[in-house]
Amino acid sequence: KAGVTQTPRYLIKTRGQQVTLSCSPISGHRSVSWYQQTPGQGLQFLFEYFSETQRNKGNFPGRFSGRQFSNSRSEMNVSTLELGDSALYLCASSLLASPDTQYFGPGTRLTVL
Amino acid sequence: AQTVTQSQPEMSVQEAETVTLSCTYDTSENNYYLFWYKQPPSRQMILVIRQEAYKQQNATENRFSVNFQKAAKSFSLKISDSQLGDTAMYFCAFLTDLQGAQKLVFGQGTRLTINP
Repeated sequence: KAGVTQTPRYLIKTRGQQVTLSCSPISGHRSVSWYQQTPGQGLQFLFEYFSETQRNKGNFPGRFSGRQFSNSRSEMNVSTLELGDSALYLCASSLLASPDTQYFGPGTRLTVL
Repeated sequence: AQTVTQSQPEMSVQEAETVTLSCTYDTSENNYYLFWYKQPPSRQMILVIRQEAYKQQNATENRFSVNFQKAAKSFSLKISDSQLGDTAMYFCAFLTDLQGAQKLVFGQGTRLTINP
């Protein structure tokens, strides 16, 4: 069974632009979570989706948004990019609606210049 | 709010030795899950081991085992017969058992280096 896939793997953007990252979960998994990893703040939860509904959101500004499609694929969008948005963005999927093991994708490395 | 603390920023051992990574957490909940993930230089986050708080028996996965002390809120990872491929960042993580909550809370990580 294929693992979690994320595209693109690397992105370079400039301040003020917007970006969309994509995540395809493991087949059959319906929960998708997003995390931001930076050297200073570590791993921080962004949001979680299950059956196209956002169930949880972390403490991030409204510039960070996401959605989930009927096939469980998820996208996250960051508008008006800032230098501090440079990070590794990790997507994870899990099988159950209730708390369950999360399996991670390889991440998207975003650099904002 | 739940917090996870890893007090060892870096550790280094020789190949084939046993190493223990420490993790403590703070929560008022009774039911939850704890995980250890490893993140090698490739940056892929890989599940190492999972422990359910309601289980008294410590989880084991081949060379990896945990010492789960619920009352002390401690969750250490022991790696036996360490191998060069174990070199990675190791993250301890907490997951609440609240329905609908899939939010992992991570510690700051321990950078483990296995030397030949």
